[in-house]
Amino acid sequence: DTAVSQTPKYLVTQMGNDKSIKCEQNLGHDTMYWYKQDSKKFLKIMFSYNNKELIINETVPNRFSPKSPDKAHLNLHINSLELGDSAVYFCASSPSEMAGGYEQYFGPGTRLTVT
Amino acid sequence: AQSVTQLGSHVSVSEGALVLLRCNYSSSVPPYLFWYVQYPNQGLQLLLKYTTGATLVKGINGFEAEFKKSETSFHLTKPSAHMSDAAEYFCAVSSRYTNAGKSTFGDGTTLTVKP
Repeated sequence: DTAVSQTPKYLVTQMGNDKSIKCEQNLGHDTMYWYKQDSKKFLKIMFSYNNKELIINETVPNRFSPKSPDKAHLNLHINSLELGDSAVYFCASSPSEMAGGYEQYFGPGTRLTVT
Repeated sequence: AQSVTQLGSHVSVSEGALVLLRCNYSSSVPPYLFWYVQYPNQGLQLLLKYTTGATLVKGINGFEAEFKKSETSFHLTKPSAHMSDAAEYFCAVSSRYTNAGKSTFGDGTTLTVKP
């Protein structure tokens, strides 16, 4: 009964390739996020979707394209991968403010290594 | 705009000693405050949160934090450290006025527990 799941857990690929990461949550939350965590553990928000609508789009290269087919799923597609894209990518979801106040539930992460 | 400063990127304590991880925030509106813990190779997990009401908040694993508006602080404490507490800890701030519940995370504090 995993709350937020991501696939794959590990992704090793070469520069220039295109890859996707998938995320699913079974918590019934309306809002989902993508975060990037670098090697120093700094956490940076990339995107946020609320009920399939893009709400937050931080300064992220156009090579990154999120897609939310429904409110339980949020995928991340990355084109033309670069060395600097190597990081751990986390998906998260959160309930509405009415449900308690925006705490986030994180997936286990996808460790992306670009060679 | 909101921001979080975690004082001390690394904290080391002996097993059984008091754990104190410091977090100061900046927010122009009433904040929601969170502490998350990240164990190695895992996603972030909510430890505790403050939204409204009682300023002393108790969380999981014996941790607690006190919201001090006058000091703009939300420090995390635990009376007696266990070896299993060794992890990365993140403080985060949000509010009911924040776009899609976006949380701003601190840079993290690595807690080491010595036997």
